[in-house]
Amino acid sequence: SYDLTQPPSVSVSPGQTATINCSGDKLGDRYASWYQQKPGQAPVLVIYRDVRRPSDIPERFSGSTSGDTATLTISGTQAMDEADYFCQAWASTTVFGGGTRLTVL
Amino acid sequence: QLQLQESGPGLVTPSETLSLTCAVSGDSIRISHSYYFWSWIRQPPGKGLEWIGTIDYSGTTYSRPSLRSRVAISVDTSKNQLSLKLRSVTASDSAVYYCAREHRDGFNSYIDYWGQGTLVTVSS
Repeated sequence: SYDLTQPPSVSVSPGQTATINCSGDKLGDRYASWYQQKPGQAPVLVIYRDVRRPSDIPERFSGSTSGDTATLTISGTQAMDEADYFCQAWASTTVFGGGTRLTVL
Repeated sequence: QLQLQESGPGLVTPSETLSLTCAVSGDSIRISHSYYFWSWIRQPPGKGLEWIGTIDYSGTTYSRPSLRSRVAISVDTSKNQLSLKLRSVTASDSAVYYCAREHRDGFNSYIDYWGQGTLVTVSS
């Protein structure tokens, strides 16, 4: 089965830049998507097709890829960005990473 | 604006069948584009997301290999609903279950609409 690996947790100070990585075999040959999930809520798409941002997502959210790693970057992190973040790709089935808890200290 | 709403029993007895429906509003579930897939995803309490399966525009279903023998996904176009049946459930099937619309073309896959989720607990 295909696996996507994320760090369990990332911490960032308000106003700083948060980066969350997602790695997988030949992920560079696929497209990664990213979701934000706050407690008790459904996930929300924040990045798709590696770098594209839905129109209702703030510009401080961006995506990038390098080799077999996809990265979600949040510039000028705000307290409201504290949430779980999941990466996702398709590899014969839809696969999610294990999730990263972003803490804004 | 597309909206999805899951419904079904919140408590299921072990070894029984979990049955959920997802009401779709704001668009017809009669697929007009080959790149829209209607999916079920679950999330055990405190854990990550797990894709269960999907049905495509032709009615073909795909499911997670570990669940394939127990899962049935279908669409009722007259009611604009998506359904999930999971047989022979155990406590490990306890989770929040989401229905969702997945956009997929080639390796480009993302979920642009999610239901609010419904908690299902498997317990006697």
